[in-house]
Amino acid sequence: EAGVTQSPTHLIKTRGQQATLRCSPISGHTSVYWYQQALGLGLQFLLWYDEGEERNRGNFPPRFSGRQFPNYSSELNVNALELEDSALYLCASSLLVGGYAEAFFGQGTRLTVV
Amino acid sequence: DQQVKQNSPSLSVQEGRISILNCDYTNSMFDYFLWYKKYPAEGPTFLISISSIKDKNEDGRFTVFLNKSAKHLSLHIVPSQPGDSAVYFCAALSSTPLVFGKGTRLSVIA
Repeated sequence: EAGVTQSPTHLIKTRGQQATLRCSPISGHTSVYWYQQALGLGLQFLLWYDEGEERNRGNFPPRFSGRQFPNYSSELNVNALELEDSALYLCASSLLVGGYAEAFFGQGTRLTVV
Repeated sequence: DQQVKQNSPSLSVQEGRISILNCDYTNSMFDYFLWYKKYPAEGPTFLISISSIKDKNEDGRFTVFLNKSAKHLSLHIVPSQPGDSAVYFCAALSSTPLVFGKGTRLSVIA
């Protein structure tokens, strides 16, 4: 069974540009989460999508946005890139059962803003 | 405001000895806790979890202890192996997505 897959693995953008990161969840999982891991920091929660809707959002500016498609895959968009957006972006998926679910992570997209 | 804290950024342990990784949390609404392990250039992988109705969960070499009154949990790895060298993240959950600590880098020395 395929795990969570993310593309691209690496992305280099210049300041002010837009970045689009993609995530395919494990088959059958309806929830997708996006996390940012910046240098020296833990995993910071960005966005949570479930059944196509945004369920929760972390403490990030509006230029971080995303969506979930009918097949449950997801896209994270970062507009007006800033140097401090350089980080590893991790996507995770889960199947919510009774409110608890282990999240399974992809390998991440390393975004570098120059 | 960090709701999940891992106060030790790194830990070194000799092979065969016990590794103890600690985690503290502030939100009393958290009722499910997980540990993830992360190797460089890979996503975190789930290791072990515990519900707040328990105080201990064991899976092979890995045991997680939960002290609700102290809002503290710990991960014990015994015996430690060189392959355990990784960054370990503590995570907590209530009705919102996982909240992670900053991680502890474990180095197991042969």
